[in-house]
Amino acid sequence: ETGVTQTPRHLVMGMTNKKSLKCEQHLGHNAMYWYKQSAKKPLELMFVYNFKEQTENNSVPSRFSPECPNSSHLFLHLHTLQPEDSALYLCASSQHPTGNTEAFFGQGTRLTVV
Amino acid sequence: GQQLNQSPQSMFIQEGEDVSMNCTSSSIFNTWLWYKQDPGEGPVLLIALYKAGELTSNGRLTAQFGTTRKDSFLNISASIPSDVGIYFCAGPLDSNYQLIWGAGTKLIIKP
Repeated sequence: ETGVTQTPRHLVMGMTNKKSLKCEQHLGHNAMYWYKQSAKKPLELMFVYNFKEQTENNSVPSRFSPECPNSSHLFLHLHTLQPEDSALYLCASSQHPTGNTEAFFGQGTRLTVV
Repeated sequence: GQQLNQSPQSMFIQEGEDVSMNCTSSSIFNTWLWYKQDPGEGPVLLIALYKAGELTSNGRLTAQFGTTRKDSFLNISASIPSDVGIYFCAGPLDSNYQLIWGAGTKLIIKP
């Protein structure tokens, strides 16, 4: 139990579907993050939320839409995705909003776009 | 932009062998982090280094913060089957504290 829970663990969706990924952290952290992990590539930071406010959007296409209703929950809404968006999507949290050292990760959602 | 270069990309070793891997950058980092990712799981922090020259151990794992602040090393002694996985180095940017990640070193233990 890492304290960060992601659902679903696996998701297959068509390019015209709309789906959402959910992340919940039970660690009392103030910062939450979405990462994309593709095979043989470094983790790519997508979004950063500090105290529920989005502070970073690393040029992510608008077909990915994050939502952070409170400091414990983070969503990633997906629509009209492309096959190249297939990857492992990882959520993470950290205590300090000014830095994401010692980030704690969820198990990820394995997304396949068909 | 800043990048972290990890080597080797993968390692095939026998159980019981010692393992060494490293991470280098063209820029200075003030913190080095080593994570391990098991198959089907998210990365888990193994060791955090905050001071140049620092040597820190976590069980059979030992990591060092290079004195130039541009590199870090991770050693695993007497490897066991549960050591398999991907090891990542990471460091935060001074500008916005976002973590920069290496591409990982995949450790495979030969039966």
